[in-house]
Amino acid sequence: DSGVTQTPKHLITATGQRVTLRCSPRSGDLSVYWYQQSLDQGLQFLIQYYNGEERAKGNILERFSAQQFPDLHSELNLSSLELGDSALYFCASSVDLSVHGTDTQYFGPGTRLTVL
Amino acid sequence: AQKITQTQPGMFVQEKEAVTLDCTYDTSDQSYGLFWYKQPSSGEMIFLIYQGSYDEQNATEGRYSLNFQKARKSANLVISASQLGDSAMYFCAIVVRTYKYIFGTGTRLKVLA
Repeated sequence: DSGVTQTPKHLITATGQRVTLRCSPRSGDLSVYWYQQSLDQGLQFLIQYYNGEERAKGNILERFSAQQFPDLHSELNLSSLELGDSALYFCASSVDLSVHGTDTQYFGPGTRLTVL
Repeated sequence: AQKITQTQPGMFVQEKEAVTLDCTYDTSDQSYGLFWYKQPSSGEMIFLIYQGSYDEQNATEGRYSLNFQKARKSANLVISASQLGDSAMYFCAIVVRTYKYIFGTGTRLKVLA
């Protein structure tokens, strides 16, 4: 158990809908990262928050947004869902942004999203 | 831009034998970190081992060791005394100052009894 929690574990929804994925980082971790893992794209970095502020952006679609709240939990919002959004969505957390960028990320169990 | 290459889509190893999973990377940064993660069939991503670019010694964590060859830009994972529970996907990743992890495509390891 990494200490990172994600809810829900599974989510089934229809095209065009909107969903929210939730992540609670490990105790003491200030950084939260979101990843998408699909069969054809591998593991793709989406976005990172540090202590409530957005710090890095990856291949995140405009239909997707995220935020980190004062209690450090984070939510990933996916809207206007398409079939291709079906994937495993991971949240990861780390303690700090080290100068050398060598901060170990610990992953949550993931949320499996199925868009029908 | 950073890149990770894992050229072995699948590997087999006999139980109790050692296995090496290959990883090469590309970055122009001098300061970076290299990681290996394990993803069993249950789906979670489990951190295994970390190597910093300035670390002179190869990292070891129990049965896992990282064969770091900086000049060749390789960071191979060595698993000693393989166990059936080691059957999983293994991902190599690099992170530089942008803090974005770049993952390889993974190697699926199957340990045979």
